[in-house]
Amino acid sequence: DAGVTQSPTHLIKTRGQQVTLRCSPKSGHDTVSWYQQALGQGPQFIFQYYEEEERQRGNFPDRFSGHQFPNYSSELNVNALLLGDSALYLCASGDRAPTGELFFGEGSRLTVL
Amino acid sequence: QKEVEQDPGPLSVPEGAIVSLNCTYSNSAFQYFMWYRQYSRKGPELLMYTYSSGNKEDGRFTAQVDKSSKYISLFIRDSQPSDSATYLCAMSPGGFKTIFGAGTRLFVKA
Repeated sequence: DAGVTQSPTHLIKTRGQQVTLRCSPKSGHDTVSWYQQALGQGPQFIFQYYEEEERQRGNFPDRFSGHQFPNYSSELNVNALLLGDSALYLCASGDRAPTGELFFGEGSRLTVL
Repeated sequence: QKEVEQDPGPLSVPEGAIVSLNCTYSNSAFQYFMWYRQYSRKGPELLMYTYSSGNKEDGRFTAQVDKSSKYISLFIRDSQPSDSATYLCAMSPGGFKTIFGAGTRLFVKA
């Protein structure tokens, strides 16, 4: 049973550039959430996708956008990168039940220079 | 004030010790309480999940939730060096917006 998979695992960008991160949810899951984890901090909720629509959003600017595809996979896009966007970006999937249980991928580590 | 407060540690204990990890929170809407373990350079993995108040035990791990005090705990019995990791408390009112604590770094010395 494949778990949550994310790509790429590491990437380096420069300020002002744009980045796209990808996620495939755990088999049987139809909801994807994205989190940002800065060094030494807990994950911060960016947004959640279900049925190809953004359902909930955390306190992140519009530079952060996403998409969910019919096969439930998802993308996170960040435009106009800032140094402060350097972090581990985590994708988590769950089923529709509001249990709060999340299954995380290994993350994509983004470094902005 | 953060919604969830967690002491970042680090916490260092000898092998075999009982470890106590704690979080406090301010949002009374939280109904689901979780503990995640995160090894270095890995994604968090769910350890314990509790709905509302009460205790839950799973092997060497016990989770406690006291909603009246807005306080949750995780106890690890007979701690092992392999338990060395960052432990994240997490809470949700339902749905998928989960709020995490900053994480406590635990070191178990052999």
